[in-house]
Amino acid sequence: NAGVTQTPKFRILKIGQSMTLQCTQDMNHNYMYWYRQDPGMGLKLIYYSVGAGITDKGEVPNGYNVSRSTTEDFPLRLELAAPSQTSVYFCASSYSIGGGTGELFFGEGSRLTVL
Amino acid sequence: DQQVKQNSPSLSVQEGRISILNCDYTNSMFDYFLWYKKYPAEGPTFLISISSIKDKNEDGRFTVFLNKSAKHLSLHIVPSQPGDSAVYFCAASEGNFNKFYFGSGTKLNVKP
Repeated sequence: NAGVTQTPKFRILKIGQSMTLQCTQDMNHNYMYWYRQDPGMGLKLIYYSVGAGITDKGEVPNGYNVSRSTTEDFPLRLELAAPSQTSVYFCASSYSIGGGTGELFFGEGSRLTVL
Repeated sequence: DQQVKQNSPSLSVQEGRISILNCDYTNSMFDYFLWYKKYPAEGPTFLISISSIKDKNEDGRFTVFLNKSAKHLSLHIVPSQPGDSAVYFCAASEGNFNKFYFGSGTKLNVKP
């Protein structure tokens, strides 16, 4: 099983450029999440989705957009990259409420540098 | 303001000894807690969880203890092995699995 797959693994952007981080999962999970991890900090929730067509903001949504057109895919879009968005981004998925342990299954991460 | 705190950035333990990783939280509404382990260049992987209706949960060498009155949880690893060397994150949620709040992590080094 592939689990949660993120692409690209590394990317360097110039200030003001746009890009999309791709995330796909093959576990048929309803819930999907995007987190960012800054050096020495914990993971902070950017956006999450409870199912296709439904998304909501997390702790740090500014500068990002998401969409969820299918159960499998949850792309994260950066419209105008800024140095403050330099971080490692993790996509995750989980069972819906009432199923499993609520654990998140994470992708390997995407390291983004904005110069 | 961080709602979940891991105040020890690093911990070094001899192989075979006990590792104790600590985590504090401020939100009394948190009722579900998890520990994740992360190796370099990989995503975090789930280790063990505990609900607020319990004060202990055990899984093999790993035991999580929850002290609700102190808003404190700890992860015990006995015996510690070199393969346990990783960054450990605690996470908490309140009543649903939509939002997990993570601590900043503790880097465990188990020396052979």
